[in-house]
Amino acid sequence: DGGITQSPKYLFRKEGQNVTLSCEQNLNHDAMYWYRQDPGQGLRLIYYSQIVNDFQKGDIAEGYSVSREKKESFPLTVTSAQKNPTAFYLCASSTGLASTGELFFGEGSRLTVL
Amino acid sequence: AQSVTQLDSQVPVFEEAPVELRCNYSSSVSVYLFWYVQYPNQGLQLLLKYLSGSTLVKGINGFEAEFNKSQTSFHLRKPSVHISDTAEYFCAVSDIRSGGSNYKLTFGKGTLLTVNP
Repeated sequence: DGGITQSPKYLFRKEGQNVTLSCEQNLNHDAMYWYRQDPGQGLRLIYYSQIVNDFQKGDIAEGYSVSREKKESFPLTVTSAQKNPTAFYLCASSTGLASTGELFFGEGSRLTVL
Repeated sequence: AQSVTQLDSQVPVFEEAPVELRCNYSSSVSVYLFWYVQYPNQGLQLLLKYLSGSTLVKGINGFEAEFNKSQTSFHLRKPSVHISDTAEYFCAVSDIRSGGSNYKLTFGKGTLLTVNP
């Protein structure tokens, strides 16, 4: 079955450490996204990519970095510059051009900074 | 810029009662509208969407929503809820840009529906 796979599901890190969250999709979608979810705040867009080797900052990109070397993969690195990284991170994809905006989501990765 | 307001952060109901989760949006252009559901520690799953045509949209699990352009609303309803409907529900909007390309959804802050026995 096609879908989006995020790993790890749970991750703990010490302050000052970078961590990379994996997102892989086999839906043949052009566009991919990273959202951050905090209780009571809904989903906030971190980065998105419309095509391979191109990506744009979302609303809360500071302290995060991404790459899009392959169509299937869109990893997110949470750097030590992110002041409050504990959150639930969701990866999503869409068909891209001519899309209605409908997103397909992975199961999420919960990051806890100790 | 567009925005989405979900008027209730929490909605408790009893099993088999009807429920309405309210959503209002603002946008300077025409929009597509979505409702997603999220169960604990999981991703979001599409419930239903309004793209065009009939303003009453039916989705999965017996949910439906009505698009009201004059009131800029897209309220979600179910005539009889089950315990298994307990989840967080998100309303989202994307604007219809020229060329038909849409890259960003704007989400509301969510409504936690709790169905009690």
